[in-house]
Formats: sequence, C-alpha cells, structure tokens
Amino acid sequence: QSALTQPASVSGSPGQSISISCTGTSSDVGGYNYVSWYQQHPGKAPKLMIHAVSNRPSGVSSRFSGSKSGNTASLTVSGLQSEDEADYYCTSYTSSSTLVFGGGTKLTVV
Amino acid sequence: EVQLLESGGGLVQPGGSLTLSCAASGFTFSNYAMSWVRQAPGKGLEWVSAISGSGGSTYYADAVKGRFTISRDSSKITLYLQMNSLRAEDTAVYYCAKGQGRGIQTMDVWGQGTTVTVSS
Repeated sequence: QSALTQPASVSGSPGQSISISCTGTSSDVGGYNYVSWYQQHPGKAPKLMIHAVSNRPSGVSSRFSGSKSGNTASLTVSGLQSEDEADYYCTSYTSSSTLVFGGGTKLTVV
Repeated sequence: EVQLLESGGGLVQPGGSLTLSCAASGFTFSNYAMSWVRQAPGKGLEWVSAISGSGGSTYYADAVKGRFTISRDSSKITLYLQMNSLRAEDTAVYYCAKGQGRGIQTMDVWGQGTTVTVSS
C-alpha cells in the first residue's frame, strides 16, 4: 500500500488560512469517507483533528476543517495561530482493510 | 479520562523478538478497536496493525505481516504487539491508539509511545 501524497511543507502568517492536500487513489481516499487528520507537535503523540473527512472531535478548534473531492482530501486551518505550527498527517481506510498514512506536512507559522 | 500507557520497548538485535504492551484505562476496552502505529526517527507515521474489539479480527501492514502479531486481553485491559524477526527498519517509536468506535478507521486517543531500537 503506497503512502498518501502530502506536500512536505506549507507556511502562512498569523491570521491567514492555509490548506494541506492529501492525494490517494480510488482504493483509499476516493473510495471511502474515512479520511482523518492528525496534528503532531515535536516529541509529542499525534492528536486527532478531523475524522470521517470533515468531522471535528469535541475540543478541536473550529478553525480546523476538512473536505474531500475525488481522490484528494484537504485540511484547512483558518486564522493561523503560532500554536498551529506542527506536523500534520492524513490517513485513510483502504480497500485492503488497512490504514495508510500520508508522508506528513510541516506547517510553519511565519 | 481515557489513558493508554505503552511499555516493553528497548534494544534488540536483528532477528530478535520483543513484545510491546499497552495498558488501557478510562473506557470499556472490549467495545473499541485498537491499533499500533510507529514512527521511525525523523520520519512520518506508519500504521502497523489493528484489532477488533472482540479480538476476532486482526489487520496488518504488508511490512510486518507474518512477523508481528497483535492481540488483546480484556481481563488485563491490555493490548499487545508481539514482534519477531526484527529488522533495523523496525526501529521506531511505537504508539498504541484507541479506535473511535468498533471500526479501525479512526484513532481518537494515543499513548505516549515506547521506543524500539533494532541494532547489533
């Protein structure tokens, strides 16, 4: 199972909005509404930010949103804040009954 | 509060074996799927394995199939990962994660990880 494709890095200024893409195939992202997004700060465990493409768990800021079109999912972070600086990973359920992660995207708030 | 505490990591020689444990608390263990995810030094997250709430269904990444075995003990409220024929590329921080429900699709709570180093 090949990893999902994410940009290695994105950056934005405080208050701006950014989007991170996550591209797979019809056997994973395009075939199921089971895309999740995780935030990971250095040395910390990942944290669930979005599940089932666009659902936010309780306690996650409404500045985080998710969407999907075809084989590509996206995470949008609006009103960027310094604490949003972290690595972000997408994951999808696959037709092989497994999970596959994206390579990760480093978000820098400049 | 849901908590997951991994243990069992350490240094092991190539070809060796190791068993990781993940002690769970704060939720009805048997109602939720559980997963193992690893992260090699300086690299991204890699899903390793998952198990249904009952333990009757198990799932593995191709990279570990045939070498790793996931299991769970509801009486001990503990998840396990038996790792055999270890290779240098298995060196990573191993996280256990709780499924959001009975399915393996979403992992909503993660432990802090345990480090496995495979080296001679």
